[in-house]
Amino acid sequence: KAGVTQTPRYLIKTRGQQVTLSCSPISGHRSVSWYQQTPGQGLQFLFEYFSETQRNKGNFPGRFSGRQFSNSRSEMNVSTLELGDSALYLCASSRHNEASGSYEQYFGPGTRLTVT
Amino acid sequence: AQKITQTQPGMFVQEKEAVTLDCTYDTSDQSYGLFWYKQPSSGEMIFLIYQGSYDEQNATEGRYSLNFQKARKSANLVISASQLGDSAMYFCAMREGVYNNDMRFGAGTRLTVKP
Repeated sequence: KAGVTQTPRYLIKTRGQQVTLSCSPISGHRSVSWYQQTPGQGLQFLFEYFSETQRNKGNFPGRFSGRQFSNSRSEMNVSTLELGDSALYLCASSRHNEASGSYEQYFGPGTRLTVT
Repeated sequence: AQKITQTQPGMFVQEKEAVTLDCTYDTSDQSYGLFWYKQPSSGEMIFLIYQGSYDEQNATEGRYSLNFQKARKSANLVISASQLGDSAMYFCAMREGVYNNDMRFGAGTRLTVKP
């Protein structure tokens, strides 16, 4: 079974530009979550999409947005980039196994964004 | 309020020995899940183990086990027979509710395994 894939893996952008990151979840997983990881703030939840709808949202400005397609693939967009947006952006796909009660969440390799 | 607390910024362990990484959490929900992830220098978050709040037995996955003490709100990770490849950052995380994917992560513990 293929894991979570994220593209691109590395990105360098200039302040004021916008960027779109892509995430393909594990087959059968309908939930996709996005996280930002920085040395100062650690891992922070951005938002989660389930069946093409945003189900949860973290405490980030409106410059951060996302969407999910019918095949569960998700994109995250950041507009008007700031230096502080430099981070590792991690995508995770998850599935709740209602039969067993267990929960699975697996992360992709991340996209390292550098804003200059 | 801090939801997940990992009090050990760094830990050292000798190869082949066991090590315990501490994690305490704070929630008023009855239903929640606890996770441990490993993050090597490559940056990828690797899922290690999951414990549901209603699970009565401690979760185990190979060399990893989770010492779940619900009353004390602690979920310590125990790694048995440490290997050099275990050197990495380890994060404890919690998800509250059944369908809430707003996972809160601790600050992490950097584990170094010495040969």
